[in-house]
Amino acid sequence: AQSVTQPDIHITVSEGASLELRCNYSYGATPYLFWYVQSPGQGLQLLLKYFSGDTLVQGIKGFEAEFKRSQSSFNLRKPSVHWSDAAEYFCAVGAWGTGNQFYFGTGTSLTVIP
Amino acid sequence: EADIYQTPRYLVIGTGKKITLECSQTMGHDKMYWYQQDPGMELHLIHYSYGVNSTEKGDLSSESTVSRIRTEHFPLTLESARPSHTSQYLCASSELYEGAFFGQGTRLTVV
Repeated sequence: AQSVTQPDIHITVSEGASLELRCNYSYGATPYLFWYVQSPGQGLQLLLKYFSGDTLVQGIKGFEAEFKRSQSSFNLRKPSVHWSDAAEYFCAVGAWGTGNQFYFGTGTSLTVIP
Repeated sequence: EADIYQTPRYLVIGTGKKITLECSQTMGHDKMYWYQQDPGMELHLIHYSYGVNSTEKGDLSSESTVSRIRTEHFPLTLESARPSHTSQYLCASSELYEGAFFGQGTRLTVV
């Protein structure tokens, strides 16, 4: 069965520090992987996606993610965090072969301190 | 500009009322979804559609119903609202390889 695990419920980083948010997935076939960001009271915005090819993908707002098949991971990174990055982050896997659905993790809440 | 729209953004309604949450997309996507999300919590899929006249229930049991008469329109209806329906409802659409695109959400409060 498909599933996504985000081990960190909440992370606090200082502004300017680097960031890594963890995501592990369980999926029997080649995964389609996504990271989304959600600001309070808003919908989800797509940060980046991986389908195939280069395992390091670049997204919007300076984010990148690396797909590691051997570890079933798709961690999100940013070299230098800005205060405006404080939000909820969701990892998702797209399961096209079984109902064309998206399976979301439980989210990681990011706090940025001055 | 291609987008996905939800109305209303906020709704406070009394118990027992019938409500319809609207969702429209201009991207021409066949697949559309409704998710329910409590504040700060994960998303739960309650309904999805592969195209016109196609609707399926999601993983989370819901007393709501949906319809898909036109590709761009996917409304969600609660026949009799209850306080337990208080939540945020997110509509999304997608096409293969593009990921899901979300509306701004409707925050529903049933009093």
